[in-house]
Amino acid sequence: GQSLEQPSEVTAVEGAIVQINCTYQTSGFYGLSWYQQHDGGAPTFLSYNALDGLEETGRFSSFLSRSDSYGYLLLQELQMKDSASYFCAVSSNYQLIWGAGTKLIIKP
Amino acid sequence: ETGVTQTPRHLVMGMTNKKSLKCEQHLGHNAMYWYKQSAKKPLELMFVYSLEERVENNSVPSRFSPECPNSSHLFLHLHTLQPEDSALYLCASSQEEGPTSYNEQFFGPGTRLTVL
Repeated sequence: GQSLEQPSEVTAVEGAIVQINCTYQTSGFYGLSWYQQHDGGAPTFLSYNALDGLEETGRFSSFLSRSDSYGYLLLQELQMKDSASYFCAVSSNYQLIWGAGTKLIIKP
Repeated sequence: ETGVTQTPRHLVMGMTNKKSLKCEQHLGHNAMYWYKQSAKKPLELMFVYSLEERVENNSVPSRFSPECPNSSHLFLHLHTLQPEDSALYLCASSQEEGPTSYNEQFFGPGTRLTVL
């Protein structure tokens, strides 16, 4: 079957750096996306990796290793507003396959 | 504001009721999606429409019936639902549908559905 694995919850301190990992097993692969969802809100797009390597967008970076079927989202200089759930999703054969999400808890 | 709106935001219905969820996108996109989101589970893709044609139906029970009258509007008709259908129903749109290399999806705020 197709699946994505990510931790269910991560806790970090304000101002710190946190990494959220995602491993995937899918029948097709075009790229790995990351979405953020605040409680009560809609998922919003953060980043997309189609090729191996690191993509940086401000405080957020995303990494992909296609040979390892692995990626991660790196959040730097954490702010309280970053408290949310983060989902990885694989573009695979006409649809996005989603992980169950990682709840990021940030402590002052 | 993502350019995708959904109504109603909250809905409580009995198992014998019939109701409809509405989604509208103002982005000029060609593809629209219905997802079901349950706590601590991956988003479940229910239906995909591309240029008003249904291209995906992931074994969704027939008590859920989608309708796409034009590229901007998407409905999900509900009838004789079960309590386990209680969830957040999200609508999304994207520029294109298919195995393209990059296809960001824009989500509406969702409808929180409770089936009694």
